[in-house]
Amino acid sequence: EAGVVQSPRYKIIEKKQPVAFWCNPISGHNTLYWYLQNLGQGPELLIRYENEEAVDDSQLPKDRFSAERLKGVDSTLKIQPAELGDSAVYLCASSLGVGRGPSGANVLTFGAGSRLTVL
Amino acid sequence: GQQVMQIPQYQHVQEGEDFTTYCNSSTTLSNIQWYKQRPGGHPVFLIQLVKSGEVKKQKRLTFQFGEAKKNSSLHITATQTTDVGTYFCAGNNAGGTSYGKLTFGQGTILTVHP
Repeated sequence: EAGVVQSPRYKIIEKKQPVAFWCNPISGHNTLYWYLQNLGQGPELLIRYENEEAVDDSQLPKDRFSAERLKGVDSTLKIQPAELGDSAVYLCASSLGVGRGPSGANVLTFGAGSRLTVL
Repeated sequence: GQQVMQIPQYQHVQEGEDFTTYCNSSTTLSNIQWYKQRPGGHPVFLIQLVKSGEVKKQKRLTFQFGEAKKNSSLHITATQTTDVGTYFCAGNNAGGTSYGKLTFGQGTILTVHP
């Protein structure tokens, strides 16, 4: 199993330029997450999808960030235009679903991340 | 909104010493998860605790979930250099509009001196 695949691994852009990140979750995982991780901090949720529906996007800066998950599988996260403060690692994760019990349905498997540097 | 706090932020130990990190949530949790992130890597799932007062062990690692399901701890006995990394707790909200939202603590960075 390939795990959660993200690309690109690294991206360097100048401010005001657009950038897009792609994520392919584990096959069969219905829930997909985009997290932002700043250096020395824990992951912060940007958006959560259940299948193709965005069920939690309250932390997504919608003026410049957008995301989509067409057909409930792959997802893209876009920033336009990028700002200096957007420099961070963008982590994609997937899980079987969202469960409260011990089933482990909501255990996250993370991708390697996309490190963005905005100059 | 829900907040998850971890202490300490950093911990430096000599190899062989014990290590403990503590996690506290501002709200009651349905379950709590622990992840480890090696330097330059991504978070990797370690364990999930669901029941009040639950204790689980993985070799030298002991995880506890508080009786009130608002706090948790991770204890490592006799640390090794392979334990180096950042340990995150992540709380799953018990209900309401934030159901299913996993909130991460800021992590505890562990360094082990050989």
